[in-house]
Amino acid sequence: HVQLQQSGPGLMKPSQTLSLTCAISGDSVSSNSVAWSWVRQSPSRGLEWLGRTYYMSKWNTDYAVSVKSRITINPDTSKNQFSLQLNSVTPEDTAVYYCARWRHLEHYFDYWAQGTLVTVSS
Amino acid sequence: DIVMTQSPLSLPVTPGEPASISCRSSQSLLQSNGYNYVDWYLQKPGQSPQLLIYTGSSRASGVPDRFSGSGSGTDFTLEISRVEAEDVGVYFCMQTLQTPLTFGGGTKVEI
Repeated sequence: HVQLQQSGPGLMKPSQTLSLTCAISGDSVSSNSVAWSWVRQSPSRGLEWLGRTYYMSKWNTDYAVSVKSRITINPDTSKNQFSLQLNSVTPEDTAVYYCARWRHLEHYFDYWAQGTLVTVSS
Repeated sequence: DIVMTQSPLSLPVTPGEPASISCRSSQSLLQSNGYNYVDWYLQKPGQSPQLLIYTGSSRASGVPDRFSGSGSGTDFTLEISRVEAEDVGVYFCMQTLQTPLTFGGGTKVEI
């Protein structure tokens, strides 16, 4: 049974860097049948896919164009986890952030973490 | 990006009665392999989204058979044959044809 446990700060100031970690149990971050993804949810933007990292012969990442200049998603094989970094945050980045597992073949998210509310406010 | 449009925004339901939610995509989600790349998720109050239906009509493991998905191309429907009290929450469609993966705005189902 897969479990995803998020950690990271919930309150930030504008221009800071958002950093969240998603610890994986019951699967490997290096599994080649899945991708490890970040999705956020806010009242103004709804559910928004931010990006993913996955291993398929080599490490790959895909990012949403809306955040591409500010986002980094990295795997950490030593700790079996992956992370999200979002630079130069503004109040518009206030949202609940989720990490989730994506299955390549079946095309769905089957496991989600509990979510972290990140508030950006001066 | 593919735009997903859901209706209605809010859906009052009566236990035991059927319910239906629509989702329309801005381009066809039907691939040459015959699969329609659309998923349906339910987000219960205070919880993360949970998968109900994938590739248009395949029910996820553990999902009751009162939930069904149908449609093809750009028009899709999620149906609940007999609503139960535990089905309240917000339902989302999501296209999985291409990145960026995009979601519908959600339909709030309440008793």
